[in-house]
Amino acid sequence: EDKVVQSPLSLVVHEGDTVTLNCSYEVTNFRSLLWYKQEKKAPTFLFMLTSSGIEKKSGRLSSILDKKELFSILNITATQTGDSAVYLCAVEKSNTGKLIFGQGTTLQVKP
Amino acid sequence: NAGVTQTPKFQVLKTGQSMTLQCAQDMNHEYMSWYRQDPGMGLRLIHYSVGAGITDQGEVPNGYNVSRSTTEDFPLRLLSAAPSQTSVYFCASSYKGTDTQYFGPGTRLTVL
Repeated sequence: EDKVVQSPLSLVVHEGDTVTLNCSYEVTNFRSLLWYKQEKKAPTFLFMLTSSGIEKKSGRLSSILDKKELFSILNITATQTGDSAVYLCAVEKSNTGKLIFGQGTTLQVKP
Repeated sequence: NAGVTQTPKFQVLKTGQSMTLQCAQDMNHEYMSWYRQDPGMGLRLIHYSVGAGITDQGEVPNGYNVSRSTTEDFPLRLLSAAPSQTSVYFCASSYKGTDTQYFGPGTRLTVL
């Protein structure tokens, strides 16, 4: 059975801290892994990863995929209160547009 | 472009009632999907479509029907609502399975 597991489920940090969010997966016909940020509304896209070892960066956020060990991490450096959100990891199967989501990690950044 | 639109934003139903959640996109995307999001469970795929006239079941299809008569629209039907269907429903679309999925704003459904 396909599954995507995120850890931790919740995290509380202070502004300026660096956080690492984890996503492991067991999905047949893997095509890509995606990260989304959700703030009390629809998820917004962060990254799509298809190849191992290639880091994707966007400002203070970065992510990398390990297809051998079947996991991905999302790093956020110098966190800000605006980073408080639920971060969702999803794996796409083949070329179907079908996404399997993890439970999400709830991040709270305190001032 | 309006992107992905969903109506209604909120809905309250009584057990046994039927309704249709509407989803439309104006980006000419081939792929469209319906998800439900429940606390602590992330998003779960209900049904998806890879093009007009083609639909398939996702992870939690029971109690829901879909159709895709046009590229733009992908309605989700609840034939006989149950309290277990209380959830937030998101529609998403992408150009192909290789592209980023864009999510609609969601519909919050409560079944009493």
